[in-house]
Amino acid sequence: AQTVTQSQPEMSVQEAETVTLSCTYDTSENNYYLFWYKQPPSRQMILVIRQEAYKQQNATENRFSVNFQKAAKSFSLKISDSQLGDTAMYFCAFMKLVNRDDKIIFGKGTRLHILP
Amino acid sequence: GAVVSQHPSRVICKSGTSVKIECRSLDFQATTMFWYRQFPKKSLMLMATSNEGSKATYEQGVEKDKFLINHASLTLSTLTVTSAHPEDSSFYICSARDPQGAHQPQHFGDGTRLSIL
Repeated sequence: AQTVTQSQPEMSVQEAETVTLSCTYDTSENNYYLFWYKQPPSRQMILVIRQEAYKQQNATENRFSVNFQKAAKSFSLKISDSQLGDTAMYFCAFMKLVNRDDKIIFGKGTRLHILP
Repeated sequence: GAVVSQHPSRVICKSGTSVKIECRSLDFQATTMFWYRQFPKKSLMLMATSNEGSKATYEQGVEKDKFLINHASLTLSTLTVTSAHPEDSSFYICSARDPQGAHQPQHFGDGTRLSIL
Protein backbone atom coordinates (compact mmCIF):
# COMPACT_ATOMS: atom_id res chain seq x y z
CA ALA A 1 0.00 0.00 0.00
CA GLN A 2 1.08 3.52 -0.71
CA THR A 3 1.82 5.98 2.08
CA VAL A 4 2.67 9.66 2.12
CA THR A 5 4.54 11.23 5.03
CA GLN A 6 4.84 14.91 5.82
CA SER A 7 7.11 15.32 8.82
CA GLN A 8 6.50 19.03 9.44
CA PRO A 9 3.08 19.63 11.02
CA GLU A 10 3.56 23.40 11.12
CA MET A 11 6.01 26.01 9.82
CA SER A 12 6.35 29.77 9.95
CA VAL A 13 8.49 32.01 7.76
CA GLN A 14 8.79 35.71 7.13
CA GLU A 15 7.27 37.20 4.03
CA ALA A 16 9.63 37.16 1.02
CA GLU A 17 11.68 34.29 2.41
CA THR A 18 12.03 30.90 0.79
CA VAL A 19 10.54 27.86 2.49
CA THR A 20 10.77 24.14 1.76
CA LEU A 21 8.11 21.64 2.74
CA SER A 22 9.16 18.02 3.01
CA CYS A 23 7.38 14.93 1.76
CA THR A 24 8.34 11.31 1.44
CA TYR A 25 6.27 8.48 0.06
CA ASP A 26 6.37 4.76 -0.25
CA THR A 27 5.23 2.74 -3.23
CA SER A 28 6.18 -0.21 -5.36
CA GLU A 29 4.57 1.37 -8.43
CA ASN A 30 6.65 2.74 -11.26
CA ASN A 31 4.08 5.01 -12.91
CA TYR A 32 2.38 7.56 -10.72
CA TYR A 33 1.70 11.23 -10.10
CA LEU A 34 2.78 13.32 -7.15
CA PHE A 35 0.99 16.51 -6.21
CA TRP A 36 1.11 19.39 -3.81
CA TYR A 37 -2.27 20.82 -2.89
CA LYS A 38 -2.92 24.06 -1.06
CA GLN A 39 -5.91 24.42 1.23
CA PRO A 40 -6.43 28.01 2.40
CA PRO A 41 -8.90 28.93 5.17
CA SER A 42 -11.70 28.81 2.58
CA ARG A 43 -10.95 25.04 2.49
CA GLN A 44 -10.85 24.89 -1.31
CA MET A 45 -8.40 22.29 -2.58
CA ILE A 46 -6.06 24.06 -4.98
CA LEU A 47 -3.56 22.15 -7.07
CA VAL A 48 -0.20 23.87 -6.71
CA ILE A 49 2.05 21.61 -8.73
CA ARG A 50 2.24 18.07 -10.05
CA GLN A 51 5.01 15.75 -11.11
CA GLU A 52 4.85 12.65 -13.29
CA ALA A 53 7.14 9.94 -11.98
CA TYR A 54 8.58 9.16 -15.39
CA LYS A 55 9.86 12.73 -15.80
CA GLN A 56 13.29 13.41 -14.39
CA GLN A 57 12.96 17.17 -14.70
CA ASN A 58 11.58 18.85 -11.60
CA ALA A 59 8.26 20.62 -12.10
CA THR A 60 8.03 24.38 -11.60
CA GLU A 61 5.08 26.76 -11.47
CA ASN A 62 6.14 30.37 -11.02
CA ARG A 63 7.33 30.68 -7.39
CA PHE A 64 6.69 27.01 -6.68
CA SER A 65 9.12 24.24 -7.54
CA VAL A 66 9.70 20.69 -6.45
CA ASN A 67 12.73 18.56 -5.76
CA PHE A 68 11.73 15.11 -6.93
CA GLN A 69 14.11 12.33 -5.94
CA LYS A 70 12.54 9.14 -7.26
CA ALA A 71 15.07 6.71 -5.85
CA ALA A 72 14.82 8.29 -2.42
CA LYS A 73 11.01 8.59 -2.77
CA SER A 74 11.20 12.23 -1.80
CA PHE A 75 9.10 15.10 -3.14
CA SER A 76 9.71 18.45 -1.45
CA LEU A 77 8.04 21.75 -2.32
CA LYS A 78 9.97 25.00 -2.43
CA ILE A 79 8.12 28.30 -2.25
CA SER A 80 10.26 31.26 -3.25
CA ASP A 81 9.56 34.87 -2.33
CA SER A 82 6.76 33.76 -0.02
CA GLN A 83 3.66 35.93 0.16
CA LEU A 84 0.99 36.39 2.80
CA GLY A 85 -1.47 34.64 0.51
CA ASP A 86 0.63 31.50 0.69
CA THR A 87 -0.58 30.97 4.26
CA ALA A 88 -2.48 27.68 4.09
CA MET A 89 -2.42 23.98 4.75
CA TYR A 90 -0.30 22.13 2.20
CA PHE A 91 -0.88 18.49 1.37
CA CYS A 92 1.53 16.24 -0.46
CA ALA A 93 -0.32 13.58 -2.41
CA PHE A 94 0.30 10.44 -4.45
CA MET A 95 -1.78 8.85 -7.16
CA LYS A 96 -1.01 5.88 -9.32
CA LEU A 97 -2.50 6.10 -12.77
CA VAL A 98 -3.54 2.65 -13.83
CA ASN A 99 -7.27 2.29 -13.22
CA ARG A 100 -10.14 4.74 -13.10
CA ASP A 101 -10.63 3.90 -9.41
CA ASP A 102 -7.11 4.93 -8.47
CA LYS A 103 -7.42 7.26 -5.53
CA ILE A 104 -5.32 10.10 -4.24
CA ILE A 105 -3.38 9.32 -1.08
CA PHE A 106 -2.80 12.43 1.03
CA GLY A 107 -0.19 13.18 3.63
CA LYS A 108 -1.27 14.65 6.96
CA GLY A 109 -0.42 18.14 5.83
CA THR A 110 1.86 21.00 6.80
CA ARG A 111 0.32 24.19 8.12
CA LEU A 112 2.33 27.09 6.72
CA HIS A 113 2.18 30.58 8.19
CA ILE A 114 3.70 33.48 6.27
CA LEU A 115 4.47 36.27 8.72
CA PRO A 116 4.35 39.96 7.74
CA GLY B 1 -10.88 24.43 -17.05
CA ALA B 2 -12.74 21.48 -15.61
CA VAL B 3 -15.05 22.38 -12.78
CA VAL B 4 -16.74 20.35 -10.08
CA SER B 5 -19.73 21.89 -8.38
CA GLN B 6 -20.64 20.74 -4.88
CA HIS B 7 -23.89 21.75 -3.27
CA PRO B 8 -24.83 22.86 -0.68
CA SER B 9 -21.77 24.60 0.72
CA ARG B 10 -23.20 24.79 4.21
CA VAL B 11 -25.90 22.83 6.00
CA ILE B 12 -27.18 23.22 9.54
CA CYS B 13 -29.90 20.83 10.61
CA LYS B 14 -31.40 18.99 13.55
CA SER B 15 -30.30 15.61 14.76
CA GLY B 16 -32.15 12.79 12.99
CA THR B 17 -32.42 14.60 9.67
CA SER B 18 -31.07 13.08 6.47
CA VAL B 19 -28.89 15.37 4.40
CA LYS B 20 -28.07 15.04 0.72
CA ILE B 21 -24.92 16.52 -0.82
CA GLU B 22 -24.52 16.75 -4.58
CA CYS B 23 -21.35 16.64 -6.62
CA ARG B 24 -21.51 17.54 -10.31
CA SER B 25 -18.88 17.61 -12.98
CA LEU B 26 -19.85 20.59 -15.12
CA ASP B 27 -17.88 20.17 -18.32
CA PHE B 28 -16.60 16.63 -18.36
CA GLN B 29 -17.89 13.13 -17.79
CA ALA B 30 -16.64 11.68 -14.56
CA THR B 31 -16.67 7.91 -14.55
CA THR B 32 -15.41 7.93 -11.00
CA MET B 33 -16.09 10.26 -8.11
CA PHE B 34 -14.62 10.22 -4.63
CA TRP B 35 -16.04 11.35 -1.31
CA TYR B 36 -13.82 12.61 1.50
CA ARG B 37 -14.38 13.71 5.05
CA GLN B 38 -12.12 16.23 6.73
CA PHE B 39 -11.96 16.96 10.44
CA PRO B 40 -10.63 20.34 11.61
CA LYS B 41 -6.90 20.73 10.99
CA LYS B 42 -6.67 17.19 9.67
CA SER B 43 -6.08 15.64 6.28
CA LEU B 44 -8.72 14.41 3.87
CA MET B 45 -9.99 10.95 4.70
CA LEU B 46 -11.37 8.96 1.77
CA MET B 47 -14.80 7.61 2.56
CA ALA B 48 -15.79 5.92 -0.67
CA THR B 49 -15.21 5.59 -4.38
CA SER B 50 -18.22 5.95 -6.61
CA ASN B 51 -18.44 4.57 -10.14
CA GLU B 52 -21.27 5.47 -12.47
CA GLY B 53 -23.90 2.78 -12.59
CA SER B 54 -22.47 0.57 -9.90
CA LYS B 55 -22.34 0.34 -6.14
CA ALA B 56 -19.87 2.50 -4.30
CA THR B 57 -16.78 1.01 -2.72
CA TYR B 58 -16.46 2.09 0.90
CA GLU B 59 -13.24 2.43 2.85
CA GLN B 60 -12.78 0.35 5.96
CA GLY B 61 -14.66 1.75 8.91
CA VAL B 62 -17.14 3.80 6.88
CA GLU B 63 -20.75 2.78 7.45
CA LYS B 64 -22.39 2.31 4.06
CA ASP B 65 -25.89 2.45 5.57
CA LYS B 66 -25.08 5.78 7.20
CA PHE B 67 -23.42 7.33 4.16
CA LEU B 68 -25.43 6.43 1.08
CA ILE B 69 -23.75 7.15 -2.23
CA ASN B 70 -25.48 7.21 -5.58
CA HIS B 71 -23.76 7.81 -8.90
CA ALA B 72 -26.65 7.75 -11.33
CA SER B 73 -25.04 9.58 -14.21
CA LEU B 74 -21.62 10.47 -15.56
CA THR B 75 -21.93 13.97 -14.14
CA LEU B 76 -23.63 13.52 -10.78
CA SER B 77 -22.87 11.70 -7.56
CA THR B 78 -24.74 12.22 -4.30
CA LEU B 79 -23.84 11.51 -0.71
CA THR B 80 -26.73 11.17 1.73
CA VAL B 81 -25.96 11.27 5.43
CA THR B 82 -28.89 9.34 6.88
CA SER B 83 -30.33 10.14 10.30
CA ALA B 84 -27.47 12.52 10.98
CA HIS B 85 -26.20 13.04 14.51
CA PRO B 86 -23.79 15.60 15.97
CA GLU B 87 -20.83 13.26 15.47
CA ASP B 88 -21.49 13.39 11.72
CA SER B 89 -20.74 17.09 11.74
CA SER B 90 -17.73 17.61 9.49
CA PHE B 91 -16.46 19.00 6.21
CA TYR B 92 -17.25 16.76 3.24
CA ILE B 93 -15.45 17.13 -0.11
CA CYS B 94 -16.02 15.36 -3.39
CA SER B 95 -13.68 14.95 -6.32
CA ALA B 96 -14.25 13.74 -9.85
CA ARG B 97 -11.88 11.82 -12.06
CA ASP B 98 -11.41 13.43 -15.46
CA PRO B 99 -10.38 10.74 -17.96
CA GLN B 100 -9.05 13.43 -20.29
CA GLY B 101 -7.37 15.43 -17.57
CA ALA B 102 -3.68 14.96 -18.23
CA HIS B 103 -2.68 17.93 -16.10
CA GLN B 104 -5.08 17.33 -13.26
CA PRO B 105 -6.61 13.86 -13.17
CA GLN B 106 -9.01 14.76 -10.35
CA HIS B 107 -10.94 17.95 -9.67
CA PHE B 108 -12.28 18.87 -6.28
CA GLY B 109 -15.54 20.46 -5.26
CA ASP B 110 -15.48 23.34 -2.81
CA GLY B 111 -16.78 21.19 0.02
CA THR B 112 -19.83 21.09 2.28
CA ARG B 113 -19.72 22.08 5.91
CA LEU B 114 -22.28 19.98 7.75
CA SER B 115 -23.36 20.94 11.24
CA ILE B 116 -25.82 18.75 13.12
CA LEU B 117 -27.43 20.34 16.16
